[in-house]
Amino acid sequence: DVQLVESGGGFVQPGESLRLSCSTSGFRATFNRYWLSWVRQAPGKGLEWVANINEDGDEKFYVDSVRGRFTVSRDNAKNSLYLQMNSLRIDDTGVYYCARRSVAFDHWGQGTVVTVSS
Amino acid sequence: DIVMTQAPLSLPVTPGEPASISCRSSQSLLHSNGYTYLDWYVQKPGQSPKVLIYLGSNRATGVPDRFSGSGSGTDFKLKINRVEAEDVGVYYCMQALQTPWTFGQGTKVEI
Repeated sequence: DVQLVESGGGFVQPGESLRLSCSTSGFRATFNRYWLSWVRQAPGKGLEWVANINEDGDEKFYVDSVRGRFTVSRDNAKNSLYLQMNSLRIDDTGVYYCARRSVAFDHWGQGTVVTVSS
Repeated sequence: DIVMTQAPLSLPVTPGEPASISCRSSQSLLHSNGYTYLDWYVQKPGQSPKVLIYLGSNRATGVPDRFSGSGSGTDFKLKINRVEAEDVGVYYCMQALQTPWTFGQGTKVEI
């Protein structure tokens, strides 16, 4: 079974940093054939796409609100996806999901909670 | 950015009856390759989102055939043939034609 498991969330103050990880299983042999994404959801709100990374990790795209503060990366040898989040703001608070992209987001993790508050 | 607008935002349904959700994009989602980059997702209470429909009208693996997606260009629809109690949740359309990929506001379906 394909599984994605996020970790690294927590409670931080504005301006601090966090690094989220997404470890995957069930598609080890083909991990490097998929785009991967981060999608977040503020408390009680809808879904917001945050970032994409291509199969090789050399193409990355971000929503404007995080560009320059967040960095998406992957380690194909470890079948893992990462999101380095710097200069965190209160409006970055939410649940962060990693998702695998084939023809759609066909598999999602359970999410990790990030709370930014003073 | 492409703006996705869903209607209605709240949809009371009756089990056994049909239901539909509309999604409109601010630009055509038709790519030059002929594909339309419009997905539908459902997020059931306490769960992660799950894909229902991709490329406008293709049902994802394991999705019951009471769900169907239609539309083209800028106007799309998700239809549920006969609603079941397990269909409660928030339904989102999303465009993946160009970054930033954007979701609709979500439609809450409740019995």
